Amino acid sequence: GQQLNQSPQSMFIQEGEDVSMNCTSSSIFNTWLWYKQDPGEGPVLLIALYKAGELTSNGRLTAQFGITRKDSFLNISASIPSDVGIYFCAGPNSNSGYALNFGKGTSLLVTP
Amino acid sequence: DTEVTQTPKHLVMGMTNKKSLKCEQHMGHRAMYWYKQKAKKPPELMFVYSYEKLSINESVPSRFSPECPNSSLLNLHLHALQPEDSALYLCASSRDGTGEDTGELFFGEGSRLTVL
Repeated sequence: GQQLNQSPQSMFIQEGEDVSMNCTSSSIFNTWLWYKQDPGEGPVLLIALYKAGELTSNGRLTAQFGITRKDSFLNISASIPSDVGIYFCAGPNSNSGYALNFGKGTSLLVTP
Repeated sequence: DTEVTQTPKHLVMGMTNKKSLKCEQHMGHRAMYWYKQKAKKPPELMFVYSYEKLSINESVPSRFSPECPNSSLLNLHLHALQPEDSALYLCASSRDGTGEDTGELFFGEGSRLTVL
């Protein structure tokens, strides 16, 4: 299947630090997406990547689509307390109507 | 604010009850999805509708019955659920759910279901 392996599972950092998390897969994905989920809420799309090697920024967030289309990373610079949440990588599964498969998530805690 | 609206936000039901979860989107999307999410786990796909037709059922038990009355609405009918069905149920939509789709799903805030 099109499994996504996300790491680290959790991170506990101080405000102002930079954060990096990544996702790998044994399958090629044509699109790679990063979502953030706050407790009790639905996932919110942060960044969408469409081309191998693509580097895209959204404010303090930067994500890159690996050249082999089997991996991606998400960086958060100068973290702030509202960055707390669970970050998921996701890719469309052609075997499931192009619905998204999700990685297991990275739980981020930021202390002031 | 999300453009996918889910009601109710919270639902508590007994195992013999019949209830429904509702979802609405006005983005002109032609694909809609139900996901189930347990605590500290990623969302898991349940159903996909594309152009109002059920295209994917991920081997979901028949006590969950989806319905897509039109392209803007998606329901999930619940009957004879078990306590282990307690979870956050997420609705999402995307352009059309085909290979031409961007793959970007837009999620509602979810319905928190508790089965007693």
